[in-house]
This record gives sequence, C-alpha cells and structure tokens, in this order.
Amino acid sequence: AQRVTQPEKLLSVFKGAPVELKCNYSYSGSPELFWYVQYSRQRLQLLLRHISRESIKGFTADLNKGETSFHLKKPFAQEEDSAMYYCALGSGNTGKLIFGQGTTLQVKP
Amino acid sequence: KAGVTQTPRYLIKTRGQQVTLSCSPISGHRSVSWYQQTPGQGLQFLFEYFSETQRNKGNFPGRFSGRQFSNSRSEMNVSTLELGDSALYLCASSPDRGEGNTIYFGEGSWLTVV
Repeated sequence: AQRVTQPEKLLSVFKGAPVELKCNYSYSGSPELFWYVQYSRQRLQLLLRHISRESIKGFTADLNKGETSFHLKKPFAQEEDSAMYYCALGSGNTGKLIFGQGTTLQVKP
Repeated sequence: KAGVTQTPRYLIKTRGQQVTLSCSPISGHRSVSWYQQTPGQGLQFLFEYFSETQRNKGNFPGRFSGRQFSNSRSEMNVSTLELGDSALYLCASSPDRGEGNTIYFGEGSWLTVV
C-alpha cells in the first residue's frame, strides 16, 4: 500500500537552529516525492520535488531509497519558515498525491 | 498566468442537500484533481480528471462525484450531505504527462454542513 508518514505533528525550534522534518514512505515502484508548504491563510504550494534536487528557501531534501525516507532539512531556521509542511508521494506522473499528516514547524524568535 | 481558481470560496449547506464546487485550472493544464482537507484526516485525494475522463479515484463514497469539461474546467458534486463532509475542498491542476507533474493548488472551497 502507498503511504506517507510524518511522525511529528509539531516541531518547535529557535531561530537559527537546524531543522529536520521527517518523512517516510511506502511505495513499491519508483517514488516521486514532494514537499508542500502551507503558510497561514495561503494556498498549498510546492516547496521541493526530489527529481529536481534543488534548494528552495534554504531547504533541501534527499531521497533515501534504502531507508524509504525524504526528510526536509534546513541548516538555519528563520521565523518566516513557520508553516505547515506536507510530504507527498506522487503516482505515475498523474495528479494523484498521497499526503502525510503534516508537520507544523514553529520557529521561535 | 492566473492560478487555480475555485468557487465559491465559502458555503454553508444543510444535511441532506447537495453541493457543486467549481474549479478553473491554470491555462493549458489538462489534469484537474480534487482533495478533501480536514483536521482529523488531513489531505485526502478524491479523484483526478484528464481530458474529460476520470483517471484516478480515491476511497470516497459514490456521493462524491466530478466531471471535467472540454475547456478543462472541473466541477465536483457531493450529494446527500453529511455533517462529516464539512471540510476544505482543494482543486489542483497539472500539465500533461511528460512535462512533469508539478501540481498547483487553488485556495479551496470551505464547506460547512449544518
């Protein structure tokens, strides 16, 4: 079964601290993985996709097929990073995404 | 380009009624997907339409249905509304296969069932 697990509902860190939001997936084929972010009162927006291997707003994520993980990392958190983060698993290049439950990141001053 | 547009943004319905939500995808996008977002269940995939055909379907009862028109605009319908259908309904669009499936979301339609 296809599944995405984000074990932390809330992650609270101080500004300048490193951040790691965990994501594990279950998928039998070749996974397509994404991180979406939802800032307060804004629409869900794509942050990263594994295939791009890019860094957006200082965030990176590496696909680890051995550990079936796609953790999101940032070396120095900023207050504006406070938001809800969702890990999502794509399905065969279609519009279907399976989302994790989301992790609220709270960056304290 | 204009983003994914959903109407209405907010609505209140009574149990037993039915509701239709509308979505206009980003120009040129042919895939439209619908998601339900609730505090308890999170984001759940409802269905996807591509070129007016349902391509994927989630695990929702038959009361939830959708369709897509030739201009890629989509509607979803929920019949015989239940209190548990209260949720944010998100529409998303993406380009054709082969162009990568970066999926763009609308702001959603907030449905309250009383």
